[in-house]
Amino acid sequence: DQQVKQNSPSLSVQEGRISILNCDYTNSMFDYFLWYKKYPAEGPTFLISISSIKDKNEDGRFTVFLNKSAKHLSLHIVPSQPGDSAVYFCAASVGGNNNDMRFGAGTRLTVKP
Amino acid sequence: KAGVTQTPRYLIKTRGQQVTLSCSPISGHRSVSWYQQTPGQGLQFLFEYFSETQRNKGNFPGRFSGRQFSNSRSEMNVSTLELGDSALYLCASTLAPAYSDTQYFGPGTRLTVL
Repeated sequence: DQQVKQNSPSLSVQEGRISILNCDYTNSMFDYFLWYKKYPAEGPTFLISISSIKDKNEDGRFTVFLNKSAKHLSLHIVPSQPGDSAVYFCAASVGGNNNDMRFGAGTRLTVKP
Repeated sequence: KAGVTQTPRYLIKTRGQQVTLSCSPISGHRSVSWYQQTPGQGLQFLFEYFSETQRNKGNFPGRFSGRQFSNSRSEMNVSTLELGDSALYLCASTLAPAYSDTQYFGPGTRLTVL
C-alpha cells in the first residue's frame, strides 16, 4: 500500500533556480515527516524533517512545507546547485518510529549548470 | 568515525538459493534497521533490532529474517530466493530506537536474483 507517494519520478531545473519536490500521503495518523537525499552508490542521508505541529521548517537552502489538510508536503531548494542532483525520498511516520515509517518512491533531481 | 558498512556490496544468486547480508553499524549505535529498496516502491521497512532483539517487523514474508549480535552487528537472511527479491537492501543505524532523523544509512547491498 503506497501511503506515501512521490508522483514525479524526475525533475530537472537550472542552477540558481528553485527546485520543488512534492510528496502526498494518505494516512492521517502520520505526524512526522522527513526528506532524505541519496547519491548513487551511497545510502540515503537525512536532509530535513518536520512535525505535524508545524507547517514550515527551514534549514539553509532547504525548506519543507506541510499542508496537513491536503496531506501534502513539499521540499523547496533555493537556489539549486549542481551538487543537489540526487534522488530525494520523502518519508512519514507516526511518532518517528521506524516500524511505522513509509517512504515514497523517490524523485530524481537534476540541476543543470 | 566510520560510517555504516554493508557487505557484500553486490550479490548475484539464483532462485531457490538463500543469502545472508551483513551490516556493521556506526560505533556506539545499538539500533539497526533494514530496508528493501525497489524501483517504484521506495524504501520498505523490513525489521529493526536493538540489543540483540527484534523490536519491529515490516510486512514481509517469513523468508526474510535477521539477527543482531552482541557487538550490534546485524545480519539479514533471505531463504528460497525469488526473482522479486532483487533489490537494494539498506541498513541504517541509530543510537537507540525511534530517532528517525539521526538514522545513518549504509551504501546498501545490491542483490540480483536470476
